[in-house]
Amino acid sequence: DADVTQTPRNRITKTGKRIMLECSQTKGHDRMYWYRQDPGLGLRLIYYSFDVKDINKGEISDGYSVSRQAQAKFSLSLESAIPNQTALYFCATSDPRAGGQETQYFGPGTRLLVL
Amino acid sequence: GIQVEQSPPDLILQEGANSTLRCNFSDSVNNLQWFHQNPWGQLINLFYIPSGTKQNGRLSATTVATERYSLLYISSSQTTDSGVYFCAVGGDKAAGNKLTFGGGTRVLVKP
Repeated sequence: DADVTQTPRNRITKTGKRIMLECSQTKGHDRMYWYRQDPGLGLRLIYYSFDVKDINKGEISDGYSVSRQAQAKFSLSLESAIPNQTALYFCATSDPRAGGQETQYFGPGTRLLVL
Repeated sequence: GIQVEQSPPDLILQEGANSTLRCNFSDSVNNLQWFHQNPWGQLINLFYIPSGTKQNGRLSATTVATERYSLLYISSSQTTDSGVYFCAVGGDKAAGNKLTFGGGTRVLVKP
C-alpha cells in the first residue's frame, strides 16, 4: 500500500463550489505539506504543518484553507473554487528526526478542474 | 526567498545517450532533492543530496553547495527516463523543510 494517499485522484467542480482534498499517510511523519502544480511549471507551497497544532501559510495560501485532523491526516479546502485553481495538487510528508536527511515524500496527486 | 533555476528547459535524447541536467540556486541550502515526474504525473524521489555525490543505477547526482549548483547525470538513457526532472531546495532549517522547486527539465528519450 502507498505510504501517502490522496483522495480524490481526479475531481471536476464548478465555480463557487466548496471542495475538500484529503491526504493520509502511514509513514508516521509529523510534517505534512500541500503543493500546487500548474501546467508546465514546478510545484508551489500552499500550506504546511509541523504537527497537529502547528499550521503555516506557504507561498500561495490565498483562497485555500487546511485542517490537520490527526498526525496522519491533512486536508486542503477550497471554500469557493475559481477556474484559476485548476491544477494538480500534491500532498507530501517528512520526518525532521530522520538523521539530518529530511526527505519529502509525495502522494500521487489530485487533478482538479474548476469549470 | 531562494531562487532555483534549471537548465536546459527541454532535452531530446536518443536512447542510449548520456545527459547532464543542471540546477542553480541563489542561497545556501540544507535540503536539495531531485525528482522525476513521469508522464502520469507521479513524483518519484531520485536523490536527497544537499552536498556531495550519490549514485543509483544509471543515475547519479552531485551537489557543490559552496558554488550553489547541483547536477543530475543520466547515463545510457532509456525511453522510461522520459518525463520532467525537478530540482527542489530547502533553505532555512529553523523555518522548516519547505521546498522551493525549479521550473524543471522536460526530457524526451526517443527509441
